[in-house]
Amino acid sequence: DAMVIQNPRYQVTQFGKPVTLSCSQTLNHNVMYWYQQKSSQAPKLLFHYYDKDFNNEADTPDNFQSRRPNTSFCFLDIRSPGLGDAAMYLCATSRVPGSGANVLTFGAGSRLTVL
Amino acid sequence: GENVEQHPSTLSVQEGDSAVIKCTYSDSASNYFPWYKQELGKRPQLIIDIRSNVGEKKDQRIAVTLNKTAKHFSLHITETQPEDSAVYFCAASLRGNNRLAFGKGNQVVVIP
Repeated sequence: DAMVIQNPRYQVTQFGKPVTLSCSQTLNHNVMYWYQQKSSQAPKLLFHYYDKDFNNEADTPDNFQSRRPNTSFCFLDIRSPGLGDAAMYLCATSRVPGSGANVLTFGAGSRLTVL
Repeated sequence: GENVEQHPSTLSVQEGDSAVIKCTYSDSASNYFPWYKQELGKRPQLIIDIRSNVGEKKDQRIAVTLNKTAKHFSLHITETQPEDSAVYFCAASLRGNNRLAFGKGNQVVVIP
């Protein structure tokens, strides 16, 4: 009954080799988020889509891009991964407006290792 | 922007005792305050939340209190059990749109 599904769960890449992480949802939520979480730290918002509108955080590096081809799917592209990009990447969704605003449902995460 | 801080960073309690984690926030426009529990290797899961129009909310052994004047909110866990051991993140809504700022997390260890 997984509602926010991330693939792959574990990704190993080489320094500078592009990677794409995917997220799909069965909740029909209109907002999708990508968070980066490093060990023992808070999830850090990279960007989010409100429907088709892309919202980038001011401090998100250009190395990170995102695509949302339809309501159900969202992708995180890391164009040239560096060692500092090794982290858990969490996808989350929410439904706005309404009582569910800001209530996030997280996926299980994709753990990225950069060699 | 919003700054969310959690205290203490780690907390050890004996099974059956209560645990309290406090968060402070900086933006008076924040109006939604959730708590997420993250067990090792698992996704964060919402355990309780509160909106700014109430001061307290309770769900079985878990409660959250909000003091808007002082800009802090707290998670209370009573009758702690070993399965309560996890990292707990507080968060506050950001002004104007559908985003949350998270605290750094609090490691709670329940000692059997």
